[in-house]
Amino acid sequence: EPEVTQTPSHQVTQMGQEVILRCVPISNHLYFYWYRQILGQKVEFLVSFYNNEISEKSEIFDDQFSVERPDGSNFTLKIRSTKLEDSAMYFCALKTRDWAGDGYTFGSGTRLTVV
Amino acid sequence: DAKTTQPTSMDCAEGRAANLPCNHSTISGNEYVYWYRQIHSQGPQYIIHGLKNNETNEMASLIITEDRKSSTLILPHATLRDTAVYYCTTVQGAQKLVFGQGTRLTINP
Repeated sequence: EPEVTQTPSHQVTQMGQEVILRCVPISNHLYFYWYRQILGQKVEFLVSFYNNEISEKSEIFDDQFSVERPDGSNFTLKIRSTKLEDSAMYFCALKTRDWAGDGYTFGSGTRLTVV
Repeated sequence: DAKTTQPTSMDCAEGRAANLPCNHSTISGNEYVYWYRQIHSQGPQYIIHGLKNNETNEMASLIITEDRKSSTLILPHATLRDTAVYYCTTVQGAQKLVFGQGTRLTINP
């Protein structure tokens, strides 16, 4: 499966600053997901997004997080006021159909470092 | 989604077949079994998936037991580049994939 582009690949930000991570779909993706992976830990689900609204979110996805597709193309994850513990790899995943036999395509990831 | 159980780690000699087991005893009838792997901090890389029939692609083979309560991922000729964490998960529809701790596979020269 071709990789999905995520930008930036690496971002360093100061604590308290806002960051926006972007995921660029490559075809007619309808289902969108964000995951994060803290160094040395497992990949954790954050949120899923369909039809311009959140369909499911985890406990991690609190009020400082938001997602949207502002231009109908890029899928973004915004962290309003970053904390040191937000430092992690963030991955988006995309899907075209509501059928589990149709695979999930993951992005290459954004490494977020909060200092 | 069904809960999956995998061994924490496994070793395999280079050139030999690596067989990674996964238990998903509570899987439901319309849930697919998916395998991904992750090398260092790269994004999860898709390997293979199946519903009930055995599957094979250029990377691996997936053997699903008849009762679908477990499966085995087979890397037929493991190379050093196959050293990674391998994740087995199950999913239905467009639900989220859930990743456990996976199996850390080490291919030894």
